[in-house]
Amino acid sequence: ELKVEQNPLFLSMQEGKNYTIYCNYSTTSDRLYWYRQDPGKSLESLFVLLSNGAVKQEGRLMASLDTKARLSTLHITAAVHDLSATYFCAPGRGAQKLVFGQGTRLTINP
Amino acid sequence: DVKVTQSSRYLVKRTGEKVFLECVQDMDHENMFWYRQDPGLGLRLIYFSYDVKMKEKGDIPEGYSVSREKKERFSLILESASTNQTSMYLCASSSQLQGADTEAFFGQGTRLTVV
Repeated sequence: ELKVEQNPLFLSMQEGKNYTIYCNYSTTSDRLYWYRQDPGKSLESLFVLLSNGAVKQEGRLMASLDTKARLSTLHITAAVHDLSATYFCAPGRGAQKLVFGQGTRLTINP
Repeated sequence: DVKVTQSSRYLVKRTGEKVFLECVQDMDHENMFWYRQDPGLGLRLIYFSYDVKMKEKGDIPEGYSVSREKKERFSLILESASTNQTSMYLCASSSQLQGADTEAFFGQGTRLTVV
């Protein structure tokens, strides 16, 4: 059974700082997804990582995947308030069901 | 744009009622999913379907059933609603194609309150 652990679960940081969210998973997966959720809203896809060593960047967010270590990271560079949200990772196998981590609630303070 | 539409944003139902949550997607996706989201527990998979009339149990299927008579529509049924089913319900769909466009696209969510 695939288990997913994110850490930290809560993260409060100041604008301008850098930080990393970690996503560990328990069984082999050939892809990993990162999603963002704003309060009261649904989930929005951020990144799809399809291979070992994959790295994708969008603005101040960068995601990477190490399938051998079963680890993905989401790095935030020079955080701004607009990035405050809950972030979820979800490893998958093929195009079948996704299992989500618990989510990391990120709060960025001025 | 992929569109996944859930029939209601907010629902209030009484204990014991039969409740239908409807989800429609317009991208001809093979896979459809129902999740519930509760504070501190993340998203938990209730049921998913990879083809018309096919369904598989997820992690928490008890108290729920599903129906997929057409490819674009996936319904979640609470046979006899209970207060512990008060939650946010999220529907999603995805393609079975191999390649980049395989992420799940989510509907806007239905916040169900059972009183």
